[in-house]
Amino acid sequence: EAGVVQSPRYKIIEKKQPVAFWCNPISGHNTLYWYLQNLGQGPELLIRYENEEAVDDSQLPKDRFSAERLKGVDSTLKIQPAELGDSAVYLCASSPRLAGELNTGELFFGEGSRLTVL
Amino acid sequence: EDQVTQSPEALRLQEGESSSLNCSYTVSGLRGLFWYRQDPGKGPEFLFTLYSAGEEKEKERLKATLTKKESFLHITAPKPEDSATYLCAVQARSNDYKLSFGAGTTVTVRA
Repeated sequence: EAGVVQSPRYKIIEKKQPVAFWCNPISGHNTLYWYLQNLGQGPELLIRYENEEAVDDSQLPKDRFSAERLKGVDSTLKIQPAELGDSAVYLCASSPRLAGELNTGELFFGEGSRLTVL
Repeated sequence: EDQVTQSPEALRLQEGESSSLNCSYTVSGLRGLFWYRQDPGKGPEFLFTLYSAGEEKEKERLKATLTKKESFLHITAPKPEDSATYLCAVQARSNDYKLSFGAGTTVTVRA
């Protein structure tokens, strides 16, 4: 079974340029997450989708970040314009939507997209 | 706000030298505590979920335990392939799809 696929793996851009990251979750996983991971830190949630609906975007800096999940499958995370402080790894994860005790909380992560803003 | 503190930040072990990693947490109504392993350049990989104090889970040389305030990940007779960053995360009952992660402990096992 294919895992979570992210692209690009690496991206280097000048500040104020736009950038977009793409994620294809595991087939059948309704829930999709975007996490931000700074060097030496744990992942921090940016946004969570249930199918095509963004159900938790409270941590997404909406002035420059946007995300979409059209048709409830693939997702794109965009930054425009990028700032120096946006340099980090952007992780996508997915999980099946299971009710109650069946929800083990296990997330399946992609390998991440490493962004460097110069 | 949920808080997770992991210690030590880094741990260097000789092959076969057992040790423990600590994860202290503060959460309003714990639903679950999770351990993940992260290799350099990769995304985190799920290891265990613990739900209640006293619970233990094992996988190969790893054993996770849980109390009301902290969790330990014990590594018994580690091998170089156990070298990785180990992340702890908590999930609150009030938001059972959000994980709050600690900064991790980077373990290096020398042959």
